[in-house]
Amino acid sequence: EAGVVQSPRYKIIEKKQPVAFWCNPISGHNTLYWYLQNLGQGPELLIRYENEEAVDDSQLPKDRFSAERLKGVDSTLKIQPAELGDSAVYLCASSLDWRAKEQFFGPGTRLTVL
Amino acid sequence: GQQLNQSPQSMFIQEGEDVSMNCTSSSIFNTWLWYKQDPGEGPVLLIALYKAGELTSNGRLTAQFGITRKDSFLNISASIPSDVGIYFCAGQLNTGFQKLVFGTGTRLLVSP
Repeated sequence: EAGVVQSPRYKIIEKKQPVAFWCNPISGHNTLYWYLQNLGQGPELLIRYENEEAVDDSQLPKDRFSAERLKGVDSTLKIQPAELGDSAVYLCASSLDWRAKEQFFGPGTRLTVL
Repeated sequence: GQQLNQSPQSMFIQEGEDVSMNCTSSSIFNTWLWYKQDPGEGPVLLIALYKAGELTSNGRLTAQFGITRKDSFLNISASIPSDVGIYFCAGQLNTGFQKLVFGTGTRLLVSP
């Protein structure tokens, strides 16, 4: 069974540029999460999707961050415009549904903003 | 955001030694998870604990869900070089949605 797939794995951009990250969850998993991981810290939740609905986006900085999961499968996280402080690893995870206690993570996208 | 207290922050041990790390919180959790993260990769789930006092093993790894529900412990026996990585605990809050709160991580280095 394929795991969570993310692309790109690495991205280097200049500040004020836009950037997008893509995630394909484990097949059959209805719940999808985007996490932010700063250097030396554990992941922190940005947004959670139940199928195509964003049900918890309280930690997402909505002035510059947006996300979508149009067909309830793949998801895209966008930053526009990027700032220096956005440099971090962006992790996608999925679980069977919101009651599932175990979340499975993708390899992440490491973003560097210059 | 909230992060759980994990200790030690880092450990440097010899191959074959046993390792212990723990995670504490001021909040009560109904589930504890332990993940391992290799450089450039996402966290990989090692062990899941579902009730207070539970002791669960996965090969050389053993984890326990603290009786108070505010802490958890991970032990690795007879460490090997491939155990190198960062170990994260994660607790799920006692609410309807299974939000994960992660610890600050324990970096493990193993000398052959």
